[in-house]
Amino acid sequence: EDQVTQSPEALRLQEGESSSLNCSYTVSGLRGLFWYRQDPGKGPEFLFTLYSAGEEKEKERLKATLTKKESFLHITAPKPEDSATYLCAVQAYGGATNKLIFGTGTLLAVQP
Amino acid sequence: DAGVTQSPTHLIKTRGQQVTLRCSPKSGHDTVSWYQQALGQGPQFIFQYYEEEERQRGNFPDRFSGHQFPNYSSELNVNALWLGDSALYLCASSYRGQETQYFGPGTRLLVL
Repeated sequence: EDQVTQSPEALRLQEGESSSLNCSYTVSGLRGLFWYRQDPGKGPEFLFTLYSAGEEKEKERLKATLTKKESFLHITAPKPEDSATYLCAVQAYGGATNKLIFGTGTLLAVQP
Repeated sequence: DAGVTQSPTHLIKTRGQQVTLRCSPKSGHDTVSWYQQALGQGPQFIFQYYEEEERQRGNFPDRFSGHQFPNYSSELNVNALWLGDSALYLCASSYRGQETQYFGPGTRLLVL
């Protein structure tokens, strides 16, 4: 069964304190891995898509990497406005659709 | 460029009632997927519509049904509401087989 596990469940950082969020996945055939940011009560905001092991993508203070079993979202020198829930999702080959399978997310709080 | 829009933003219903939620996809997109997100959980796939047909359904009962219109907008209907249906309902749009899905702001449904 296709599955996504994110850790930690919650993370509290001081402003400027870099860290990483983990997304472990089990999927029959990976079509794509996605990172989204979600603010309270709002819809997920797309951040990155990764397709193959070794791929990396960057956007401002965020950098996403992918291996055959997991993905990391690295946050460099975070600011309070980076506080949000970060969701990881995978798409598998073979299905009739491009449905997303999500993890439960990591709640990030960055204190000034 | 208009993003994904959803209406209403909030809704309160009582057990046994029926509800209809609406979604307009991002400009240029023709595929709409619906997700249910319970508090503290990741979004769960309900179903996807393409060319006015349901392509795939997640693990949700027949009380959940949908429709897609010729202009690609979509509705999600839930009959015989029960307390466990209280959640944030998210609509996501994409273009045919393209993997990236873009989410709307969601509709918060509370069933009393």
